Amino acid sequence: ETGVTQTPRHLVMGMTNKKSLKCEQHLGHNAMYWYKQSAKKPLELMFVYSLEERVENNSVPSRFSPECPNSSHLFLHLHTLQPEDSALYLCASSTGSSFANYGYTFGSGTRLTVV
Amino acid sequence: EDQVTQSPEALRLQEGESSSLNCSYTVSGLRGLFWYRQDPGKGPEFLFTLYSAGEEKEKERLKATLTKKESFLHITAPKPEDSATYLCAVVGATNKLIFGTGTLLAVQP
Repeated sequence: ETGVTQTPRHLVMGMTNKKSLKCEQHLGHNAMYWYKQSAKKPLELMFVYSLEERVENNSVPSRFSPECPNSSHLFLHLHTLQPEDSALYLCASSTGSSFANYGYTFGSGTRLTVV
Repeated sequence: EDQVTQSPEALRLQEGESSSLNCSYTVSGLRGLFWYRQDPGKGPEFLFTLYSAGEEKEKERLKATLTKKESFLHITAPKPEDSATYLCAVVGATNKLIFGTGTLLAVQP
């Protein structure tokens, strides 16, 4: 276990469904991130939360809605997704000092398939 | 704009056949270059951080080196369990972690 736990590991959803991805970190980090990983593309940063406040939103469509209720938990709410949204969604966390030493600590991801 | 380019895209080696992976970067004010390993269906796992040109770090069969323009991940006498995607990322003055597309390494017995 990496210290960053993501659930579910796999998710299949229809384009009209609403679902949520969950991320929990047990490392005492104060920043959390959502990344999208598609085949043959670099990891795409979606959202950044620092001390529970959203500090970055990289032009992500509104069908993706993040929520950070506290420093240990991060959610990604999904609704009316498109097939091209199928990807591996990764959660990560860091602190100032951990970031300088090893970047981010990643979870194992949620493999999302939109049908 | 900060950018990371990794090559080759994919590499197939025989067990014991040493080789190197390349990470070329352009970044304003490099603060660190990171190597990660990613197994299928899992998140990236930290391997090394390099901070300045000339720096080298080793871990088992892996050795990472850094120049002002690129980093190499040298794999000596690889084993099948070294098969994975290896990701390179940099952080510069923007304080954002910028990733390359990775190199998919397959080591055959």
